[in-house]
Amino acid sequence: QKEVEQNSGPLSVPEGAIASLNCTYSDRVSQSFFWYRQYSGKSPELIMSIYSNGDKEDGRFTAQLNKASQYVSQLIRDSQPSDSATYLCAVNVFVGGNQFYFGTGTSLTVIP
Amino acid sequence: GAVVSQHPSRVICKSGTSVKIECRSLDFQATTMFWYRQFPKQSLMLMATSNEGSKATYEQGVEKDKFLINHASLTLSTLTVTSAHPEDSSFYICSIEGRSYNEQFFGPGTRLTVL
Repeated sequence: QKEVEQNSGPLSVPEGAIASLNCTYSDRVSQSFFWYRQYSGKSPELIMSIYSNGDKEDGRFTAQLNKASQYVSQLIRDSQPSDSATYLCAVNVFVGGNQFYFGTGTSLTVIP
Repeated sequence: GAVVSQHPSRVICKSGTSVKIECRSLDFQATTMFWYRQFPKQSLMLMATSNEGSKATYEQGVEKDKFLINHASLTLSTLTVTSAHPEDSSFYICSIEGRSYNEQFFGPGTRLTVL
């Protein structure tokens, strides 16, 4: 059973703080990892992808991957109210074809 | 990334009617498209994988005769909800696989309301 688990939240942080979003996965052959942001009533938007252990930074966003611990996280620095959304973790496994698995999402609220 | 469009963005229909939703890849040819459904405050649920020129692969529990998928070209996949009922009311989203790193890019979604 391939599972992606996230804390559903809600997670609340004050404006300007660091928001930390966490995700664990159960399949050791998972190869690619993604973070999507979904605003209420909208479809998911890809914000980060990571494929190898370590950190990947893109502006205020940093993804962290630890394959040994089967853990991927997303840090949002200098959080803004516009970052308030649900963040979905996704994992891609290649088994004869690409299989995507999504977590249930973490709801983030940035308080002005 | 990739640009994906969906049409219509919103549809309201009577129970028993059929509704067709189009998903288009606007900037490259997509051999594989995915169809998801999302109920309020729930996560995405993969319904089926649409393959150009062949039959779609449906997830367990998804009725293939109710949710007809046609992927007739490399830029267009359609989902038809046949004999829609109120319980089919949901947010339907398609996605395509990116060219490089297997990421998925989503269309804007279609909100279906069945009265």
